[in-house]
Amino acid sequence: NAGVTQTPKFRILKIGQSMTLQCAQDMNHNYMYWYRQDPGMGLKLIYYSVGAGITDKGEVPNGYNVSRSTTEDFPLRLELAAPSQTSVYFCASNSGSGYEQYFGPGTRLTVT
Amino acid sequence: GENVEQHPSTLSVQEGDSAVIKCTYSDSASNYFPWYKQELGKGPQLIIDIRSNVGEKKDQRIAVTLNKTAKHFSLHITETQPEDSAVYFCAASLWGNNRLAFGKGNQVVVIP
Repeated sequence: NAGVTQTPKFRILKIGQSMTLQCAQDMNHNYMYWYRQDPGMGLKLIYYSVGAGITDKGEVPNGYNVSRSTTEDFPLRLELAAPSQTSVYFCASNSGSGYEQYFGPGTRLTVT
Repeated sequence: GENVEQHPSTLSVQEGDSAVIKCTYSDSASNYFPWYKQELGKGPQLIIDIRSNVGEKKDQRIAVTLNKTAKHFSLHITETQPEDSAVYFCAASLWGNNRLAFGKGNQVVVIP
């Protein structure tokens, strides 16, 4: 199993541009999550999903959108990128029967 | 919502010594408390967790203790080694929720 994969690893965006961060898992997990990690601020939940077709907002959803059309994929969309969205983004998944969250390697995004 | 705080933010220890990181939580209903380790350039990984019906749990050189009355829990690492150098996150959740509230993280540096 590859576990949780994220692409790209790094990206630089100009203010106002849009992009999609890709996340995929091959563990057949129902639960998937998007977090952002800012220095000294821990992990903040952006959006999460409890299964295909179901998504919900986390603590910091403004400026982001998600979709969950399949169990495997959970892309995060940034519209009109702003410098405040400069961060490291982590995707995670969870089976739903246990509580361990499995994290991807992260995407480092810089908006200038 | 749940608020989790970690202390200290940075901890330096001599190799072979013990390290202790403490977290406090705000929601007395929380009953699941995991610890995640994040190595440089990687996503967090679960290292140990505890549920509120248990006061202490050990796994080789690491242990977690929980004080429900005081609403705090601690990670103990004994006989520290250079590979223990990382950022450690505590989290709290309500069992059945599948969402975690993370602390801001502690940087642990083991000095050879």
